[in-house]
Amino acid sequence: AQSVTQPDIHITVSEGASLELRCNYSYGATPYLFWYVQSPGQGLQLLLKYFSGDTLVQGIKGFEAEFKRSQSSFNLRKPSVHWSDAAEYFCAVGAKDFGNEKLTFGTGTRLTIIP
Amino acid sequence: KAGVTQTPRYLIKTRGQQVTLSCSPISGHRSVSWYQQTPGQGLQFLFEYFSETQRNKGNFPGRFSGRQFSNSRSEMNVSTLELGDSALYLCASSSRGGHYEQYFGPGTRLTVT
Repeated sequence: AQSVTQPDIHITVSEGASLELRCNYSYGATPYLFWYVQSPGQGLQLLLKYFSGDTLVQGIKGFEAEFKRSQSSFNLRKPSVHWSDAAEYFCAVGAKDFGNEKLTFGTGTRLTIIP
Repeated sequence: KAGVTQTPRYLIKTRGQQVTLSCSPISGHRSVSWYQQTPGQGLQFLFEYFSETQRNKGNFPGRFSGRQFSNSRSEMNVSTLELGDSALYLCASSSRGGHYEQYFGPGTRLTVT
């Protein structure tokens, strides 16, 4: 069965600083990979996705993510964060699990932005 | 296109009661999945419906059930509510479902007292 690990529960960065959120997965093949963002009390919004091809993926709101097969990672990056980026971020893996196709979500990383 | 809508947005129920939550997917999407989100357990998959058939199911007791109608709208029902059922219930729709991208609604906040 696939699994997703987001090692950082909470990250604090200064506005204007760069950001990298970590995501590692466990799966026997290359899964589909996603990053979602959730503002307090809201649903999840899809930031970007990776299915195949170019390992650097561009998403909405200036985010990008890089798939590294050798490290089983799909880290999310942003060159310069804005106060509005404060939210919870979820990495997700889409894969087949005993014939069932499903999305598995990580536990999330809460991002705090300080002025 | 309009996004995923969920009704009601907030709900307060008493232990032992039952509740029905509704989800309208993005137009043209045939897959609807339901998730329970709590601070302690995170996002947990409940079930997925595709073209009115339950295609996948998570590890929840039989008190949690769902259905999908011919217009792809879905309902989720929880019977005999317990305090631990208090959570944000999220619905997500997808054109292909399964392990492809899903688009989430704003959720229904259920509080059981």
